[in-house]
Amino acid sequence: NAGVTQTPKFQVLKTGQSMTLQCAQDMNHEYMSWYRQDPGMGLRLIHYSVGAGITDQGEVPNGYNVSRSTTEDFPLRLLSAAPSQTSVYFCASSSPRRGGSNYGYTFGSGTRLTVV
Amino acid sequence: AQKITQTQPGMFVQEKEAVTLDCTYDTSDPSYGLFWYKQPSSGEMIFLIYQGSYDQQNATEGRYSLNFQKARKSANLVISASQLGDSAMYFCAMTSNSGGYQKVTFGTGTKLQVIP
Repeated sequence: NAGVTQTPKFQVLKTGQSMTLQCAQDMNHEYMSWYRQDPGMGLRLIHYSVGAGITDQGEVPNGYNVSRSTTEDFPLRLLSAAPSQTSVYFCASSSPRRGGSNYGYTFGSGTRLTVV
Repeated sequence: AQKITQTQPGMFVQEKEAVTLDCTYDTSDPSYGLFWYKQPSSGEMIFLIYQGSYDQQNATEGRYSLNFQKARKSANLVISASQLGDSAMYFCAMTSNSGGYQKVTFGTGTKLQVIP
């Protein structure tokens, strides 16, 4: 099925380890974003991209890197995992509307990450 | 800067009744978009409805309607004829021209429980 595919669904890391959360979409969407969801805080934007080769920081970018070498893929790298990065991570994609805004993000199923 | 406020952490509604979930927003930008998303207990994020700041009419999608009051900066979600499957977290979100249309800011969510 067309959509946003995130892997893995679950991950446990030790403090200091690094890893990459994978995200791929097959809808030819220009916009892609990574969010983290923590209890009582809604979703907070980590990094986003408006197209291949273009990325920018969101609200909570520290400790994370991204790259967008293709339209389809937008991996999120945790450089040195910390317990504060325990969260549920969502990747999302969308296309721009004429005149601005977007058509509403399509979200992946999420990655539940625990850092011990 | 753009900000979304959802003041109802949790709500109950009787099955088949209508329910309104509150959302207020803050932006100085005249051009913006407002969204509602549903997150069931399974965790996925589902796009429900969109309202543009220049749209003349309130958005509707099936049993969902968005009560857009621009002067009051409110964008309440109305669910008619509630069903048990409507039990979920609901997030209000927005983008704006100055905030970056590709960036979506989320509220903290309202947990809706539908009672049989």
